[in-house]
Amino acid sequence: DAGITQSPRYKITETGRQVTLMCHQTWSHSYMFWYRQDLGHGLRLIYYSAAADITDKGEVPDGYVVSRSKTENFPLTLESATRSQTSVYFCASRGDSTNEKLFFGSGTQLSVL
Amino acid sequence: GDSVTQMEGPVTLSEEAFLTINCTYTATGYPSLFWYVQYPGEGLQLLLKATKADDKGSNKGFEATYRKETTSFHLEKGSVQVSDSAVYFCALSDYDSWGKLQFGAGTQVVVTP
Repeated sequence: DAGITQSPRYKITETGRQVTLMCHQTWSHSYMFWYRQDLGHGLRLIYYSAAADITDKGEVPDGYVVSRSKTENFPLTLESATRSQTSVYFCASRGDSTNEKLFFGSGTQLSVL
Repeated sequence: GDSVTQMEGPVTLSEEAFLTINCTYTATGYPSLFWYVQYPGEGLQLLLKATKADDKGSNKGFEATYRKETTSFHLEKGSVQVSDSAVYFCALSDYDSWGKLQFGAGTQVVVTP
């Protein structure tokens, strides 16, 4: 199906473990983004990417790693999960035109125990 | 840096009531402004946008006008329905920011029959 999909939908892990959240889009959008959503903070940008192999840090990148070897995939890895990384994570993508809207995935709810 | 401030929720209304959600912003350049909506269990969807001063965005009965003099982008709807219950996010994007969005904290709206 066309669109942007995230997996898993729910994830429970323990502190210190490595976790990878997947994001896949079928539009060949150049730009992709990872946000985390926390009560009282809205959505905060973790990392973003303008194309394959081009990534940059957002507002809250510490503890996260991204890669973009293919245009359609933008995985987010928590190298050593901490309780403060318990959150809902949203992936988004957009096309190349200025002011194009972002398309969001359905989110991954991550709990770090 | 850029920032967006929204009124806190939750906002509870009866069906057919008038809705206003205040949003003000701080930006160094000439940002584009957006309202996104998040229905329960889903990702965010673009509701409306405005790209320059005095522009009015509208969609599904919602409206917002880009007011540069007051740095505001308040969301309004004349007669809400139960189906409008959601979390509403105001956001801005600077021209040179690769489309990165700076979000407000979100305002939960609950419409009762």
